[in-house]
Amino acid sequence: DAGITQSPRHKVTETGTPVTLRCHQTENHRYMYWYRQDPGHGLRLIHYSYGVKDTDKGEVSDGYSVSRSKTEDFLLTLESATSSQTSVYFCAISKGGSANYGYTFGSGTRLTVV
Amino acid sequence: AQSVTQPDIHITVSEGASLELRCNYSYGATPYLFWYVQSPGQGLQLLLKYFSGDTLVQGIKGFEAEFKRSQSSFNLRKPSVHWSDAAEYFCAGNSGNTPLVFGKGTRLSVIA
Repeated sequence: DAGITQSPRHKVTETGTPVTLRCHQTENHRYMYWYRQDPGHGLRLIHYSYGVKDTDKGEVSDGYSVSRSKTEDFLLTLESATSSQTSVYFCAISKGGSANYGYTFGSGTRLTVV
Repeated sequence: AQSVTQPDIHITVSEGASLELRCNYSYGATPYLFWYVQSPGQGLQLLLKYFSGDTLVQGIKGFEAEFKRSQSSFNLRKPSVHWSDAAEYFCAGNSGNTPLVFGKGTRLSVIA
């Protein structure tokens, strides 16, 4: 979507390796989110950020870490990838923390762990 | 715990027929509620949202949704479905400053 890009779009990695996914925004929004999407589970929140260096855990944060050193970038790291982390990962941005600001989603990163 | 439930995993409708996708919520206070659509291989697009006021909200692509507090529901409707409406639909909600919580989604198939 305009203003938010995710990279890479697709990645295949081996079990046990670290993987970093990047979310980049040009909207100068304060809030950024990482969700994973799995069949039968919808979207589940992994981590989110409410400002530079300010992050918090979501529902499924185990095995993941995040960093936000600049407003525009929010990185998601799988410390040691496992097959259960095969998923589609979506980044979202929001101007404020309250939902009435709305979320804009990226196009997603499809990650396969073999 | 706050939650959003979509009871139907998959719905099939004929082109031109009416559509209703169900969504139930569980929140202590009146939540903000949303419907998103996801076409295959794409991200999520916002269809409509409810914050307060008029309980019938209009969205894009001819969709509407009605907030019913007594039934804890926020069902999505469209009077006449087009083949291009085939997609996955997600209901989402939150209260206050918490991140959005999504339902598990309903996949819509449209047949001729």
